[in-house]
Amino acid sequence: DQQVKQNSPSLSVQEGRISILNCDYTNSMFDYFLWYKKYPAEGPTFLISISSIKDKNEDGRFTVFLNKSAKHLSLHIVPSQPGDSAVYFCAASALSNTGKLIFGQGTTLQVKP
Amino acid sequence: DTEVTQTPKHLVMGMTNKKSLKCEQHMGHRAMYWYKQKAKKPPELMFVYSYEKLSINESVPSRFSPECPNSSLLNLHLHALQPEDSALYLCASSQVLGAPFDEQYFGPGTRLTVT
Repeated sequence: DQQVKQNSPSLSVQEGRISILNCDYTNSMFDYFLWYKKYPAEGPTFLISISSIKDKNEDGRFTVFLNKSAKHLSLHIVPSQPGDSAVYFCAASALSNTGKLIFGQGTTLQVKP
Repeated sequence: DTEVTQTPKHLVMGMTNKKSLKCEQHMGHRAMYWYKQKAKKPPELMFVYSYEKLSINESVPSRFSPECPNSSLLNLHLHALQPEDSALYLCASSQVLGAPFDEQYFGPGTRLTVT
């Protein structure tokens, strides 16, 4: 049972445009959500997070939106840059589960110059 | 400094070998994690240490043996591995296990190939 789903395996956008990566979850106990970025042969790098008490968190070019009723979150990157090309993982945790991270399958983002 | 270091970067071992993976962090984090990641898959949790004690073992085979000698170091001892154990092994750390809104920081990983 996949509790965190990223239904788009890949996404291609033009440099300067907006990239929108989506993530759905099924476990209503999740109360913290994170996005990680991963380049080939490197470990995931923490990007941005949001707690369930918020619906938006912004950090520079990155904004995460949370829709709890729809059990959906999204990562917006504006403007997209070629260096943003990587695999993006959505992850969720529940305080009741000792903070164990559950990852989605990842979305490969390609930003074309 | 949000750096987690891992050595070696690459490791090739035979099925009868014994080897160890090492992980180090100097952020004062008291929770440390081992993950396994296969190609095109998300990281899968293997073990969690909290205050140098094993807190979570995700039913990992005994040919993988974790060790936490002190609060900064985490080892993963490998023995009699199978070719299907070939993967990227990631170490991560966070401030305190189960703390609200606590991010995990990952190392670069060790690419393990079992021949």
